[in-house]
Amino acid sequence: EVQLKESGPGLVQPSQTLSLTCTVSGFSLTDYSVHWVRQPPGKGLEWMGVMWSGGSTAYNSALKSRLSISRDTSKSQVFLKMNSLQTEDTAIYYCTRPTGSNYFDYWGQGVMVTVSS
Amino acid sequence: QIMLTQQAESLWISPGERVSITCRASQSLLYTDGKHYLSWYQQTPGQTTKALIYHASVRTDGVPTRFIGSGSGTEFTLSIEHVQPEDFAIYYCLQTLKSPWTFGGGTKLELK
Repeated sequence: EVQLKESGPGLVQPSQTLSLTCTVSGFSLTDYSVHWVRQPPGKGLEWMGVMWSGGSTAYNSALKSRLSISRDTSKSQVFLKMNSLQTEDTAIYYCTRPTGSNYFDYWGQGVMVTVSS
Repeated sequence: QIMLTQQAESLWISPGERVSITCRASQSLLYTDGKHYLSWYQQTPGQTTKALIYHASVRTDGVPTRFIGSGSGTEFTLSIEHVQPEDFAIYYCLQTLKSPWTFGGGTKLELK
């Protein structure tokens, strides 16, 4: 069974760095890409970036300067790090996996991150 | 990057009616394989996000036939025939033709 699960701190102080982990099961990170998507309260979905199956990454141009995605294939984990957090980064953060037809078929349950002092 | 515009933030409809949600892309989403890399998602109040349509017009497994995806090039539509109470949700389009992938802003179906 394919599963993705996000983990990380629920509260981050402004200007600090957010670190999230997406732990996957039921598939290999070398076969499928894993994407990060976030949703601020009451707002829409925002694609953040991707760890491609081959190990390369791509980022939303608006976040590129602050965002880094990496992985540990041996642990089936994908990591998101974003620095210089501001209150507008308060959101639910999801990791998600697309099918071979390039649509997201599996989503994690999401982790709510609040940026506040 | 490719921008997706969902003109309507909200649409007010009654159960049983037909509704169309549009998504406009800043450039064609047609790939050389002849497929459009545009998918539609439904997000319910519990924040569950479910894929409805991919390649602009293909329903994902288990999606009712009242959900119809259409369009080509830069203009796409998600139609829902005979809207059911459980269809009142937020709908997003997503382009996966080129990185960075991008979502439309979302359209909320509201009860009239």
